Amino acid sequence: DTGVSQNPRHKITKRGQNVTFRCDPISEHNRLYWYRQTLGQGPEFLTYFQNEAQLEKSRLLSDRFSAERPKGSFSTLEIQRTEQGDSAMYLCAGMGALELKGQYFGPGTRLTVL
Amino acid sequence: EDQVTQSPEALRLQEGESSSLNCSYTVSGLRGLFWYRQDPGKGPEFLFTLYSAGEEKEKERLKATLTKKESFLHITAPKPEDSATYLCAVQAQIGTYKYIFGTGTRLKVLA
Repeated sequence: DTGVSQNPRHKITKRGQNVTFRCDPISEHNRLYWYRQTLGQGPEFLTYFQNEAQLEKSRLLSDRFSAERPKGSFSTLEIQRTEQGDSAMYLCAGMGALELKGQYFGPGTRLTVL
Repeated sequence: EDQVTQSPEALRLQEGESSSLNCSYTVSGLRGLFWYRQDPGKGPEFLFTLYSAGEEKEKERLKATLTKKESFLHITAPKPEDSATYLCAVQAQIGTYKYIFGTGTRLKVLA
């Protein structure tokens, strides 16, 4: 257990619906990443927060995706008008000041779009 | 374009049979190279950080090394519990916070 929680763990939705995922990193981790992972692939970078500031977004990220980290603690990832291609595992990871210790990943939210 | 390639895609070893996994990278100035282990249905678990060519890190049966173009994860006398997917990630030095992951090597160690 890395101390990072994600909710829900599983989400099944119909195409066109909006979904929101939550990530609670370790409290000392001021840096937070969101990734998407599909079967047989490595995690794909989506976005990065330092405290509450969103400093980088993937250029490949559709404008249907938005993320927030309102108080620099938990973060949410929202997908609007879901498509079947959005089906994936969504991972968040926290990181402290020392990159040497790597990222602490949560267990992920598995999204299935029907 | 920054890129990470891992090989082989999959590897089956007998318990005790040592081997190496490869991670080759192309990046505009390497800030760091990271190895993670991922078990099915779970998030990746951090193993090692390497910063400069010639650097080595060890943990139990695992040893990671780094050159200017690639990294190796050596597994000595593996056990069945070492079965997992091993992921390599790089962070470029210039103008980005993102990490680029490879597709991983799926390792199966047979008893």
